[in-house]
Amino acid sequence: NAGVTQTPKFQVLKTGQSMTLQCAQDMNHEYMSWYRQDPGMGLRLIHYSVGAGITDQGEVPNGYNVSRSTTEDFPLRLLSAAPSQTSVYFCASSPQAGGYTGQPQHFGDGTRLSIL
Amino acid sequence: KNEVEQSPQNLTAQEGEFITINCSYSVGISALHWLQQHPGGGIVSLFMLSSGKKKHGRLIATINIQEKHSSLHITASHPRDSAVYICAAHSGGSNYKLTFGKGTLLTVNP
Repeated sequence: NAGVTQTPKFQVLKTGQSMTLQCAQDMNHEYMSWYRQDPGMGLRLIHYSVGAGITDQGEVPNGYNVSRSTTEDFPLRLLSAAPSQTSVYFCASSPQAGGYTGQPQHFGDGTRLSIL
Repeated sequence: KNEVEQSPQNLTAQEGEFITINCSYSVGISALHWLQQHPGGGIVSLFMLSSGKKKHGRLIATINIQEKHSSLHITASHPRDSAVYICAAHSGGSNYKLTFGKGTLLTVNP
């Protein structure tokens, strides 16, 4: 199994451009999420999904859109890139959507995004 | 103030030393995760625990629910253990979100 696959691994954008970060998992996990990681800060949740067709906002959703048309895929769209969105982005999945004890999260390798 | 606090922020050790990284949280939780991130690399889940202690190889994780505190121990540390270690709290129920600490950068010198 490939686990969680993120593409691209690196990307440089100009301010105002749009792009989509791809995330796919082959473990039939219900729960998928997007985080951003910035220096000196913990991982912060952008958006998450508890199943196909269901998405919700996390802690820092502004400037990002998501959709979940299939169990496998959870793309993150930057609508109009801004320098403040320069970050490392991680996609994660887990077998259950929360639940009483939670489940281990499986992370992708990250996408390093620079906005000029 | 972050609801999950880790200490120390940075830790340098000599190969072979016993390592302890601490994590305190202020919210009620159903589970706590320990994650490892190598420089420039992805994030790997090491442990998920809701009580007691878990062991995997040279890594041991403990949690004290009453004191809202967890520790990650590394025995006989090795340079390949050099990484950022992150704890994350899961509050359970209908809340699917994890709250992350800022991480502890561990450097193990040969």
